[in-house]
Amino acid sequence: AQRVTQPEKLLSVFKGAPVELKCNYSYSGSPELFWYVQYSRQRLQLLLRHISRESIKGFTADLNKGETSFHLKKPFAQEEDSAMYYCALSRGSRLTFGEGTQLTVNP
Amino acid sequence: DGGITQSPKYLFRKEGQNVTLSCEQNLNHDAMYWYRQDPGQGLRLIYYSQIVNDFQKGDIAEGYSVSREKKESFPLTVTSAQKNPTAFYLCASSISSGMVTGELFFGEGSRLTVL
Repeated sequence: AQRVTQPEKLLSVFKGAPVELKCNYSYSGSPELFWYVQYSRQRLQLLLRHISRESIKGFTADLNKGETSFHLKKPFAQEEDSAMYYCALSRGSRLTFGEGTQLTVNP
Repeated sequence: DGGITQSPKYLFRKEGQNVTLSCEQNLNHDAMYWYRQDPGQGLRLIYYSQIVNDFQKGDIAEGYSVSREKKESFPLTVTSAQKNPTAFYLCASSISSGMVTGELFFGEGSRLTVL
């Protein structure tokens, strides 16, 4: 079965510290993976997708097929990064989301 | 102002009543989705539609029904058969109706509380 797992429900770091949000997946085909973010009082929105290999707001995510992971990283966290982050896996015409990780960046 | 509009934002319902949540988009997107968001469980797919007059069950379709009579509209009915309907409901759309390789655009959500 295809699944997305985010093992940390809550993650708290200090401003300027590195942050890594973990995402593991199980999928029999070639995965298409995404990170979505929901800031307080805003809509859920796409942060980045693995196929683009891009850095958005200082965040990057590398697909590791050997470890079936797609962890989201940022070297220096900022207070405005505080939000709920969801990892998502494309299964054909549908998107499966993980449980989400609430990131808090403390001053 | 383009985007996805969900209404109502807040809704209260008595047990045993059906309720319909509205979702409208003016993005000319083919595909539309309904998700349920619960704390600690992330987003779970209820129904999705790739094209007008067609829709498929998601992972938790029991107790819900949908219709897709127009490209821009995808209403969700929460029926009295849904055992735990109190939740936050999110509607989304995407350009492509095949593989989801593109972005999903989300509405602001509707919070349903069953009294």
